[in-house]
Amino acid sequence: NAGVTQTPKFRILKIGQSMTLQCTQDMNHNYMYWYRQDPGMGLKLIYYSVGAGITDKGEVPNGYNVSRSTTEDFPLRLELAAPSQTSVYFCASFDRVNEQFFGPGTRLTVL
Amino acid sequence: AQRVTQPEKLLSVFKGAPVELKCNYSYSGSPELFWYVQYSRQRLQLLLRHISRESIKGFTADLNKGETSFHLKKPFAQEEDSAMYYCALSEGSSNTGKLIFGQGTTLQVKP
Repeated sequence: NAGVTQTPKFRILKIGQSMTLQCTQDMNHNYMYWYRQDPGMGLKLIYYSVGAGITDKGEVPNGYNVSRSTTEDFPLRLELAAPSQTSVYFCASFDRVNEQFFGPGTRLTVL
Repeated sequence: AQRVTQPEKLLSVFKGAPVELKCNYSYSGSPELFWYVQYSRQRLQLLLRHISRESIKGFTADLNKGETSFHLKKPFAQEEDSAMYYCALSEGSSNTGKLIFGQGTTLQVKP
């Protein structure tokens, strides 16, 4: 099992550009999450999904969108990148029994 | 509101010294508490959870509901323990699996 994979690993965007952060898991987990990690702030939940076709906002959803058309994939979309979105983004999946499994992260810089 | 507080951004100790990483939480129900660890250049991973009451890599944590604390302890620190440690809370009655993270504490174990 590859677990949770994320692409890209690094990205630099200009203000106003758009991009999609990809997240895929091969553990057949229904629950998936997107977090952002800022220095000294811990991880903040952006969006989450409890199954295909179901998504909901987390603590810091502004400026982001998600979709969940399959169990495996949970992409995160930034429509108009802003410097405040410079962060490390983590995707995670969960089977409601054990633990949340995290991806390796995507480091995004918006200039 | 649910909240997890880790008062120390950085904890620096010498090898062989005892370690205690503090975590306090605010939650009115029955939470599940976790410690996650992120070693350098690795993904976030579960270290331990309060319901399992086990010792992982020499670390233990006891949930103190009276003091609303879940401090992480190890009697003798090793250099390989150097990492970022996050305390996290999950709503015990929730069906979403969402985690609320503390700000994180960097543990630095000096030789």
